[in-house]
Amino acid sequence: EVVLTQSPGTLSLSPGERATLSCRTSQGVVSNYLAWYQQKPGQAPRLLIYGASSRATGIPDRFSGSGSGTDFTLTISRLEPEDFAVYYCQQYGSSPPYTFGQGTKLEIK
Amino acid sequence: QVELVESGGGVVHPGRSLRLSCVAAGFTFSTQAMYWVRQAPGKGLEWVAVISYDGTNTYYADSVKGRFTISRDNSKSTLYLQMNSLRDEDTAVYYCAKDEGYYGVWSGYLIYWGQGTLVTVSS
Repeated sequence: EVVLTQSPGTLSLSPGERATLSCRTSQGVVSNYLAWYQQKPGQAPRLLIYGASSRATGIPDRFSGSGSGTDFTLTISRLEPEDFAVYYCQQYGSSPPYTFGQGTKLEIK
Repeated sequence: QVELVESGGGVVHPGRSLRLSCVAAGFTFSTQAMYWVRQAPGKGLEWVAVISYDGTNTYYADSVKGRFTISRDNSKSTLYLQMNSLRDEDTAVYYCAKDEGYYGVWSGYLIYWGQGTLVTVSS
């Protein structure tokens, strides 16, 4: 099973700042099959990024994904108030089971 | 638009069984793989199971293998999760979610999610 480790656990920033979230996998991810999700309190997760760098439909371009192999990054260029949430990465390379990281909480400083 | 509505959650004693349902609408259910994902209170997401569009292929997380069974009824656009031998650690909100791929080619990422149903395992 591929283990995903996200860092930092909590990130405290102000609106307008740039956020950089990391996701490291225990094995190389096949074809960069890595997704990012956003979850706000009391809501279901929402897909942001798939294939490491492709934005899902309706996702603002301030969200971008990058990386390959075992190291992946989600960047939010300029934080909006609605971006403060918990973010999860998920790998879906090779066969299931697919796995999630433990999450990064992005909070207002 | 896509709608996924879970039901069947509740309070159950350890060792007992429960079946969750997820009714789908707004897309051709019979053409796409479906997932269950859970989230324990205050914790992160845990991938639970996936089923192929026609039900012939299923995969499970190690934590539920042998106890949980994912299935589907395409005539009713409904996904199921049969949970047996429940444990305290199975307490969570259970989400159903939809793949983006079609037929035998599934994407692996979860493009739409339901709002979840809470399962509490407690004596």
